[in-house]
Amino acid sequence: DTEVTQTPKHLVMGMTNKKSLKCEQHMGHRAMYWYKQKAKKPPELMFVYSYEKLSINESVPSRFSPECPNSSLLNLHLHALQPEDSALYLCASSQEGAINQPQHFGDGTRLSIL
Amino acid sequence: AQSVTQLDSHVSVSEGTPVLLRCNYSSSYSPSLFWYVQHPNKGLQLLLKYTSAATLVKGINGFEAEFKKSETSFHLTKPSAHMSDAAEYFCVVILLSGGYNKLIFGAGTRLAVHP
Repeated sequence: DTEVTQTPKHLVMGMTNKKSLKCEQHMGHRAMYWYKQKAKKPPELMFVYSYEKLSINESVPSRFSPECPNSSLLNLHLHALQPEDSALYLCASSQEGAINQPQHFGDGTRLSIL
Repeated sequence: AQSVTQLDSHVSVSEGTPVLLRCNYSSSYSPSLFWYVQHPNKGLQLLLKYTSAATLVKGINGFEAEFKKSETSFHLTKPSAHMSDAAEYFCVVILLSGGYNKLIFGAGTRLAVHP
């Protein structure tokens, strides 16, 4: 069992739909991350939140909109996605500012865009 | 600059034989290095981490890795493979950037275990 919980596990949506991915952790971590992972590739960083504030946006298209409503929750709002956005979306968390502390990952949401 | 090279994209072993997954790193300072494992349709699970303490690091499920500064390597080993070890393995170096940990991933090594 992972300590980072992501819902839903699977999501199929059309290009005109609006949906949200959710992530929750209760480890007291103050840094939270969204990654995108294509098949047979390592994860690619999308966003970093530090103390509920957006710290890093790795030039992600505006059709992806992150939100951190509190220290335990992280959302990723999706709108007008493209077929190439189909991927596994992973959430992770870590202690803030500690280089030797690993990131803890959820099991991801498998997203398919029709 | 921090970077990681995993020398094998695929490794195939028989059950009960040793496992060696190779990783070389490049770092401008003393690195923090991790190995993660990803089973199909799962997230990444931390196997072990090196953070400048002991050079031989023991992890979960019988895995261990040895940090060799002279060779800039951090190879992952296990004495005896089990079928459940079949997965994708990522070697990772940490870059502390803007107050958070940025993970620099290797390309991954897919481990197949045959009966």
